[in-house]
Amino acid sequence: DGGITQSPKYLFRKEGQNVTLSCEQNLNHDAMYWYRQDPGQGLRLIYYSQIVNDFQKGDIAEGYSVSREKKESFPLTVTSAQKNPTAFYLCASTQKFSSGRLYRGELFFGEGSRLTVL
Amino acid sequence: SQQGEEDPQALSIQEGENATMNCSYKTSINNLQWYRQNSGRGLVHLILIRSNEREKHSGRLRVTLDTSKKSSSLLITASRAADTASYFCATEDNYGQNFVFGPGTRLSVLP
Repeated sequence: DGGITQSPKYLFRKEGQNVTLSCEQNLNHDAMYWYRQDPGQGLRLIYYSQIVNDFQKGDIAEGYSVSREKKESFPLTVTSAQKNPTAFYLCASTQKFSSGRLYRGELFFGEGSRLTVL
Repeated sequence: SQQGEEDPQALSIQEGENATMNCSYKTSINNLQWYRQNSGRGLVHLILIRSNEREKHSGRLRVTLDTSKKSSSLLITASRAADTASYFCATEDNYGQNFVFGPGTRLSVLP
C-alpha cells in the first residue's frame, strides 16, 4: 500500500539528548513537511522540502534539523537546543509537479510520532 | 504566522443533526482544504476547494468558499457518532510554498 510511515510511534528522550524521527513515503511525492502539534492546538510548520537536497525553515525551526538525501525520506532531528520538545510530530507529503507543471493537491499525513521528554 | 482560524473551537451535537464549522484566513490563497483528525492519529484529507470555486460537495460534506470575505465553511449533514473528531482548515498560498493550518474545531457527536 502507498503511504507515509513515521517511526517510532512513541519516543522518550532524556534532557540533553538528540533524537531522530523517521518519515518515509512511497507515494513518489516531491514535497515533504514536518509539523508539530501541541495538545488542543493546530499544526505548526517546522521544516519543509520541495526537492531532494533542499529544504526551508518553517515557523518554528529553532532546535530542529532535517535532511533530504533521498526523495522518499525526510528525517527530523530534535536537538538538545529545543527547549520544549514534548509534542506530537506529524510528517506529510504532497505532489508538487505533474508533467513538468506545478500541481496543487492535498497533503498526505503519517500517523505521527509522540515525543516525551523525561 | 497563523492564517486559518476555525470557529467554533468546540461543537457538540446530537447524532442526525448537521454540523457547521467556519474558517477565516488572511491572505490570498490558491486553494483551501479541510482535514479531519481522530484523537492521536494523523490528519486525513476531506475536500479541497480552489479559489475560483464557490461550493463543493463530497458525500455528506458541503464546503463553501467566499474569497471576498476570506472565509470558508464546512457542513457535515446527518452527523454520526463516527464523525467525532477535530476538523482543520488549511490554506495553500499562491506561491505553492507551504500549507498553513488553523487551530481546528473539536466536534463531538453524541449518540
